[in-house]
Amino acid sequence: GAGVSQSPSNKVTEKGKDVELRCDPISGHTALYWYRQSLGQGLEFLIYFQGNSAPDKSGLPSDRFSAERTGGSVSTLTIQRTQQEDSAVYLCASSLRFQRGKGGELFFGEGSRLTVL
Amino acid sequence: AQSVTQLDSHVSVSEGTPVLLRCNYSSSYSPSLFWYVQHPNKGLQLLLKYTSAATLVKGINGFEAEFKKSETSFHLTKPSAHMSDAAEYFCVVLLYTGTASKLTFGTGTRLQVTL
Repeated sequence: GAGVSQSPSNKVTEKGKDVELRCDPISGHTALYWYRQSLGQGLEFLIYFQGNSAPDKSGLPSDRFSAERTGGSVSTLTIQRTQQEDSAVYLCASSLRFQRGKGGELFFGEGSRLTVL
Repeated sequence: AQSVTQLDSHVSVSEGTPVLLRCNYSSSYSPSLFWYVQHPNKGLQLLLKYTSAATLVKGINGFEAEFKKSETSFHLTKPSAHMSDAAEYFCVVLLYTGTASKLTFGTGTRLQVTL
């Protein structure tokens, strides 16, 4: 597609339920990021995929959070046993592999707004 | 280690007056720097980027930023604000070590434009 696509755009769930958020990056982008943005807050890094390398999971807040990227393209962020504090906008971004002097900029999707009741 | 500091969490200007959003960074290596804009309920959009070429970078919508190594700054400016510029702005530093890249986001500056 022309841009990064995320689904669903809005998700309301009950505490304790599992949710899956999907990200379809720009074709050809080898890097994929997930960020979380709580109301009125900046961006919180969650996880980073680069090609076939092991993902950088250092930002995942707990073991209830996991993500995978199948075939180097589409990614799914899964939150198990959701809590109210998980309510936020989850943003996905993709980029070309950084080369000195060019590249590296992220292209963002419009986000998935998660509300946990 | 690297970090980025956006000095103002909120800036208010009148329409038609200049905009200045401040960003300072720290990095052990020569960084790449970016400014993003986020309109309400939208994703982030790239405004401009600095990647070791010209120190004065022009972006979209009349914005520009100047990389000043001596001041470790990358302030965003626009000569004349428009109502449509009201949004959240994020300064971002990218450090590439040769084997890995790391992005660090500032905490954002909310720009308000009044009539």
